Amino acid sequence: GAVVSQHPSRVICKSGTSVKIECRSLDFQATTMFWYRQFPKKSLMLMATSNEGSKATYEQGVEKDKFLINHASLTLSTLTVTSAHPEDSSFYICSAKSGAPTDTQYFGPGTRLTVL
Amino acid sequence: QKEVEQNSGPLSVPEGAIASLNCTYSDRGSQSFFWYRQYSGKSPELIMSIYSNGDKEDGRFTAQLNKASQYVSLLIRDSQPSDSATYLCAVKFGNQFYFGTGTSLTVIP
Repeated sequence: GAVVSQHPSRVICKSGTSVKIECRSLDFQATTMFWYRQFPKKSLMLMATSNEGSKATYEQGVEKDKFLINHASLTLSTLTVTSAHPEDSSFYICSAKSGAPTDTQYFGPGTRLTVL
Repeated sequence: QKEVEQNSGPLSVPEGAIASLNCTYSDRGSQSFFWYRQYSGKSPELIMSIYSNGDKEDGRFTAQLNKASQYVSLLIRDSQPSDSATYLCAVKFGNQFYFGTGTSLTVIP
């Protein structure tokens, strides 16, 4: 149990285009999902916390107009990187939080974004 | 600012040995503690969770929690080359999760 999927796993796009990444909890409902990015050999960096039915909470320094997050259902959150630029190239990972009592984060497999 | 500290390593152990990974955290009110394993180029994978003081064993893995010392550790018995990865400690306080920067473990055949 506790499987989280992410799609696509890899995307290459031209500078200026927008990319949408989907995160789904397959066998549990997640009122809270998280979005991270990770650069090579660096630690996870939390971008935002996504709560179902409400606006996402962004970490300091993360542009909410650039990284649009929607959490429309208890099993789906999406991250849209708008007008992507080469510096947005990174590994984007989502996670979903199971409910009480375990309240555990389960990670998706990640999406590798390359912006040319 | 809530902090989770891990030794970045790298930690090297011979195959078959016990690998000991340590994590300290700053907030005494922290409630839940997790260990994740992350292979290079992959996302983190949950190994263990622990919520109360003492030891919790799962196969070759043992998590140890000492809330008085604000310390959580992960022991890997009979280490295998496939255990070579970065191990992330995570601490939950309230609704927030705080991650350490990870310890890189290499198991030498």
